[in-house]
This record gives sequence, C-alpha cells and structure tokens, in this order.
Amino acid sequence: ILNVEQSPQSLHVQEGDSTNFTCSFPSSNFYALHWYRWETAKSPEALFVMTLNGDEKKKGRISATLNTKEGYSYLYIKGSQPEDSATYLCVSVGSARQLTFGSGTQLTVLP
Amino acid sequence: SQTIHQWPATLVQPVGSPLSLECTVEGTSNPNLYWYRQAAGRGLQLLFYSVGIGQISSEVPQNLSASRPQDRQFILSSKKLLLSDSGFYLCAWSVLLRTSGTKTNTGELFFGEGSRLTVL
Repeated sequence: ILNVEQSPQSLHVQEGDSTNFTCSFPSSNFYALHWYRWETAKSPEALFVMTLNGDEKKKGRISATLNTKEGYSYLYIKGSQPEDSATYLCVSVGSARQLTFGSGTQLTVLP
Repeated sequence: SQTIHQWPATLVQPVGSPLSLECTVEGTSNPNLYWYRQAAGRGLQLLFYSVGIGQISSEVPQNLSASRPQDRQFILSSKKLLLSDSGFYLCAWSVLLRTSGTKTNTGELFFGEGSRLTVL
C-alpha cells in the first residue's frame, strides 16, 4: 500500500448501532497514525494519535486500534448517536515526518 | 493555550482575481504550518508546508503560492484565480516532529476554522 486508504467511503447507521471503519496505510517507514473527526462547518479535531503496534486508545464511546506490521487501524463507535455524524479522517505519519491523509469515512447516524 | 485563526471565512471571487488567505497561530513558537485544500467531493490535499520563516515547501504545482513573513503567520496567495481553485482551505499547525530525551511528539495537527472559496 502506497497511499492511505479508508473504507467505507460513507455509511449510514441507525442510532444505537455500533460501527467500525478501516484505515490502511504503508507499514514501512511508519512513525505515527492520527485519527481526526471532521464535522460539517467545523475544522478537524484530533481524536487519537497512536504510535506503537497494538496500541488501543479510547475516548468515550469511540476507540481505535493499531497494527503497524500489517498497516491498518480500526476506529470503533459503540452505540452511535446523531452527534457522531461526521467525516473521520485517518492520517499516516511517515519516518520522514510526512503526513498523508486518507479521503475519510463519512458517517451519518440516523435518529 | 495555543489558538489558530484564519480568515476570511468565505470568499466569492471572479476568475482572474487575486487571492489572499491569512492564518495566524498564538501561544506557540516555531510551529510547522500547513495549508490544505478540500476540493468538492475529494479528501484533504496538502498544498504547502513551512518549518520556519521564509521556508516554504510546495506539494502540488499550481497557481497558488504561500509565504511565511513571521514565525506564526502563514499566507496563501494567488495572482489570478482559476475556477479549479474553488474549495475549502484549511490552515493547520503542529509542533515540530522530533524526539527529545524520552519525549516524542507525533505532530498532531491543529486546524483553523477554514475558508470557503468560490471562484465564479
């Protein structure tokens, strides 16, 4: 994998459902992985910054895992709420400190 | 605490007109500064980044330019806008990525409020 790829591109879930999405990134020359939450009409805000293989981070109902050997990270949202609707961006930081953005997963939580 | 501001928030400009977007950071020194653009239906694209005053790196050839006249000021400009320049522009800053002793920062980005540019 040469680029950062996020899937799915978009999804709709019902309020209360749990969901997850994937970020794939180059495993070679890895330095860090960032997850950002980007709500409409606002600027992106950092959710998690992960560096170590096996890292698991949690913030409220949102959690993320990191596998640097195979080059993927999962973002989980438990019991989705309408206020979780946003685009979730994954950013890979390489060893040369270059940042590469994924195209994001657009989540819509239906009440 | 650190803050970042960019302006103007919205712009509607004719093709061929000049552009100037400004971004300032407060509460930190020697930040890395970035300009990103999101074109309609696409992800964030890095346009320029700067690691210091007068040091600008361009990621994408285009009719845009950037300048950093002061440590915490980053300006995005164009002499003549094209239709394809329309989009949402975001300024961001991060702490310089480096390891100092046992502490390593990982370059978390802090974004400005964004500027929506429509070129007609």
